[in-house]
Amino acid sequence: AQTVTQSQPEMSVQEAETVTLSCTYDTSENNYYLFWYKQPPSRQMILVIRQEAYKQQNATENRFSVNFQKAAKSFSLKISDSQLGDTAMYFCAFMKDAGNKLTFGGGTRVLVKP
Amino acid sequence: DAGVIQSPRHEVTEMGQEVTLRCKPISGHNSLFWYRQTMMRGLELLIYFNNNVPIDDSGMPEDRFSAKMPNASFSTLKIQPSEPRDSAVYFCASSPSRRAGEKLFFGSGTQLSVL
Repeated sequence: AQTVTQSQPEMSVQEAETVTLSCTYDTSENNYYLFWYKQPPSRQMILVIRQEAYKQQNATENRFSVNFQKAAKSFSLKISDSQLGDTAMYFCAFMKDAGNKLTFGGGTRVLVKP
Repeated sequence: DAGVIQSPRHEVTEMGQEVTLRCKPISGHNSLFWYRQTMMRGLELLIYFNNNVPIDDSGMPEDRFSAKMPNASFSTLKIQPSEPRDSAVYFCASSPSRRAGEKLFFGSGTQLSVL
């Protein structure tokens, strides 16, 4: 079974600064997918970024980028130029290369301060 | 596109009552998932369907929980009888296919409180 661990329960960052969220996972699979989802106070889960394990290049979506280290089974998320609207829970998630079930980490709460 | 639609948004009920949560997936999506979110256990997959057929229900906690998908545009999650420990946010999600790596689209969830 796969497990996903987010070791930081909460992080705070000043507006316009950068924050990095950590995520590690455990799997025996070689091909898989990794995701970061954002859950704002509105409760809806929103996809932030997606990484395919067979791609070495780190995914980037505007101010969001990842540092994917396959050997270390690490998948951190960097939020650059933080904005107040980035305040939310962030969940790291794992998906095997067969089917599309997501296994989530415990989440990291990010508070962006003005 | 209206996205994944869940109802009700909030549900308060008394222990022992039957609770039915509803979900309308995005049109054309043929995979549907039910997740439960609690403080203690985080986000857990309860069950998922592909083409209206349950594929994996290993996450369903016990026989009090049942899920159906009578057609491609509707699914229900039923708890009978409900217990206080069932209090959680229940999310429905859909994806365009069963192909690996597909993005899941989530509804806004149903906040269930069992008193």
